[in-house]
Amino acid sequence: AQSVTQPDIHITVSEGASLELRCNYSYGATPYLFWYVQSPGQGLQLLLKYFSGDTLVQGIKGFEAEFKRSQSSFNLRKPSVHWSDAAEYFCAVGASFGGYNKLIFGAGTRLAVHP
Amino acid sequence: EPEVTQTPSHQVTQMGQEVILRCVPISNHLYFYWYRQILGQKVEFLVSFYNNEISEKSEIFDDQFSVERPDGSNFTLKIRSTKLEDSAMYFCASSALGRNQPQHFGDGTRLSIL
Repeated sequence: AQSVTQPDIHITVSEGASLELRCNYSYGATPYLFWYVQSPGQGLQLLLKYFSGDTLVQGIKGFEAEFKRSQSSFNLRKPSVHWSDAAEYFCAVGASFGGYNKLIFGAGTRLAVHP
Repeated sequence: EPEVTQTPSHQVTQMGQEVILRCVPISNHLYFYWYRQILGQKVEFLVSFYNNEISEKSEIFDDQFSVERPDGSNFTLKIRSTKLEDSAMYFCASSALGRNQPQHFGDGTRLSIL
């Protein structure tokens, strides 16, 4: 069965520090992978997606993620965190049926940023 | 940039009452979805909808739930007889045709069952 694991429930970093959020997936075929961000009281905003090709994908707000098939991972990174990045981050895998994806989400990682 | 809009932002309902959550997907999108997030838990898939019929539904989506696209713009989720455990944030999403099209989410409706 498809699943997504985000091992870190909470992460705290200092503003300006680098960030890496971990994501591991379980999926039988080539996965479609996504990172979404949720600010308090807001919906889910797409940060970036991986479908195929280059395993390092760039997203919005300076985020990037690297797909590593051998490790079944899709970790999210940012070289320098800003206070406005404090939010909850969700990794998701698209379980593809026909022409669409059913998204299976991880439990999320809540990011706190110290000034 | 076009966005998915959901109304109301917060709905309070007595247990046993019917509730309808409304969504306006992005206008040229063809696939529509509902997800829910119980407080403190992960986002869970409920149902997907394409070409005026359900494509797939989860085990959560039992006979108490239904979806409808009553006109060319709205997409609704109805819960016929609400239970306390239906309290959650409900997200609507839509995507364009094609497996590599990402889903775009609305801001959600917080449903509180008393």
